[in-house]
Amino acid sequence: DAGITQSPRHKVTETGTPVTLRCHQTENHRYMYWYRQDPGHGLRLIHYSYGVKDTDKGEVSDGYSVSRSKTEDFLLTLESATSSQTSVYFCAISDRQGSYNSPLHFGNGTRLTVT
Amino acid sequence: AQSVSQHNHHVILSEAASLELGCNYSYGGTVNLFWYVQYPGQHLQLLLKYFSGDPLVKGIKGFEAEFIKSKFSFNLRKPSVQWSDTAEYFCAVILYNQGGKLIFGQGTELSVKP
Repeated sequence: DAGITQSPRHKVTETGTPVTLRCHQTENHRYMYWYRQDPGHGLRLIHYSYGVKDTDKGEVSDGYSVSRSKTEDFLLTLESATSSQTSVYFCAISDRQGSYNSPLHFGNGTRLTVT
Repeated sequence: AQSVSQHNHHVILSEAASLELGCNYSYGGTVNLFWYVQYPGQHLQLLLKYFSGDPLVKGIKGFEAEFIKSKFSFNLRKPSVQWSDTAEYFCAVILYNQGGKLIFGQGTELSVKP
């Protein structure tokens, strides 16, 4: 398996609190992605990054921000968590040859519960 | 907006039955197409992918998929399913002109009865 580590694996937080999820890779891959997975919705792209400090919005970016200050780390921040952000969050990476011809490698997920 | 549609939300089959899961996408440009599988409690794994050439692609575990450009479809097939194929299956498309953005369908849950 590709070297992707998500932290924390589980988190319970209260509405209105800030939360940061971390994705760390040891593969030196250029592309990194954050998805959320919810029943009936599949995986929806939140934000993605195509290089250090280069990020763009996905389908469901409202309420989320990201940062990528170095190749190996991609942080997802919920500035003020809401119950609708209760979900399982997956990080994914793709290699520097271009994601067009390369599969994504996924992390093990972070289960976030907002009460 | 671009989208990926999987028509079947939940499919129930008996072992040895044939499988076909539908996937359609709405995007007029060049695409790469993927099927991923997620076994219970695990993360997604790549089953197969199409990026050019023969529109019939073969993946792991006996799965195959056919890209029909005129129908914007990329259906997944397996001639004879096993109980161990019980999982959720996701179709996905990468958009060439959007920085490697990968969009997933809603997923199809497959339950195979022994």
